[in-house]
Parts: sequence; C-alpha cells; structure tokens
Amino acid sequence: EAQVTQNPRYLITVTGKKLTVTCSQNMNHEYMSWYRQDPGLGLRQIYYSMNVEVTDKGDVPEGYKVSRKEKRNFPLILESPSPNQTSLYFCASSLIPSGVQDTQYFGPGTRLTVL
Amino acid sequence: AQKVTQAQTEISVVEKEDVTLDCVYETRDTTYYLFWYKQPPSGELVFLIRRNSFDEQNEISGRYSWNFQKSTSSFNFTITASQVVDSAVYFCALRGLAYSGAGSYQLTFGKGTKLSVIP
Repeated sequence: EAQVTQNPRYLITVTGKKLTVTCSQNMNHEYMSWYRQDPGLGLRQIYYSMNVEVTDKGDVPEGYKVSRKEKRNFPLILESPSPNQTSLYFCASSLIPSGVQDTQYFGPGTRLTVL
Repeated sequence: AQKVTQAQTEISVVEKEDVTLDCVYETRDTTYYLFWYKQPPSGELVFLIRRNSFDEQNEISGRYSWNFQKSTSSFNFTITASQVVDSAVYFCALRGLAYSGAGSYQLTFGKGTKLSVIP
C-alpha cells in the first residue's frame, strides 16, 4: 500500500530534550515536506526537500532541523524542544518537486506536546 | 504572495442537508492548482481533489461537487445529502508558481472549515 508513515504518532516530552520524528514514504517520491498545524493558523511549512541531500527552509523553520540521506526518509529533528513547538506535525511527499500540478500526500500526523 | 481564505470557520448542518464550503484564493500566477483536503477527527489529511487553472469545468464525485469560478477566484465545495461521516475539517489549498526557494512551488493552505453534521 502506497503511504507516508510517521513515528511516533504521539509524543510528550520536556523542554530541551532532543527528539526526532521519523517520516518514510514508499512511493519513490522525490519531494518531501514537513508541516505543523496549529489552531487558527492552518498548516505551515517547516522544511522541504527536493531530493536526496537537497533541503530548504519553509515558512517556519526556526527550532527545527531535517536531513535527507535516503530518498524514502525525511526525519524532523528538534534539538532543544520548547513549549511553543507543541503542535500537530505532518510529513508529506509528492512525486515531482517542480511540478506545480503535483499532489502532496500526507502522513497520519504526530501530535507533539512539549512540557 | 498567494493566499487562500476560508471565511467559514465552523458550520453545523443536520444530516441530509446540503452544505457548501467556500474557498477564495489570491494569486498572480496564470498557472496554478487548487486542492481540497479532508481532516476527519482521527487527524489524518485526506486528498479529495485537484483542479488546474485552465479547467473550469465543475466536477462531481458521488455526493461531492466542486465549483471552480476563475472570475471570482473561488473554488467552492458542496456536499449533497450530508452524512455524519462527513464531519471533519476541510482545507482548501493553492499551489502556484510562487517560489518558496530553490524552485519549489509553494503550497498554501486556508485555515480550514470545521463541518459538523448532526444526526
């Protein structure tokens, strides 16, 4: 089954404790992206990757890191989480990075709470 | 910059009523794509439809229909004979030629409309 998977689905952590949210897709998509969803703000892009070893900042990259060492994986790293990073996070992927018509498919979401 | 506005924050309807979710967008691009996603209470984002800026034909898929009007920059979504399972947050999104960097086309979301269908 074609899908985007994220782990963990739920995470409660404390300020300053480094964490990684994994994202993996099995559709051989070149483009992958991370979004955060907050009440009243909709979805905002954090980082994206056009292909292996090619990443760039989205609209709200502060406090996050990403890496793209393999085509299928795009982990989101929070080196020192803070309470304002409490949010619902989505990973997405699409086939063609430069295709304006391309549809992004989303993972199930990771609900992160930083105490 | 491109923008998507979903003016209806929350809508409640009684089961079997028809409901229309509004989406108005702004872009300077002549080529762009519009999307609708559904987010049920379980939280995942489900892709519903994609339309390109050159195709103004309305589309129907079962109880769902979409009305794209370029003249008013609107891409409205109608659910006919609503059901409880339609209860969700619905997002309209726009992807145009506005670069967010390194050649990536920016996908801009509206803030969503929460639809509650009451039995």
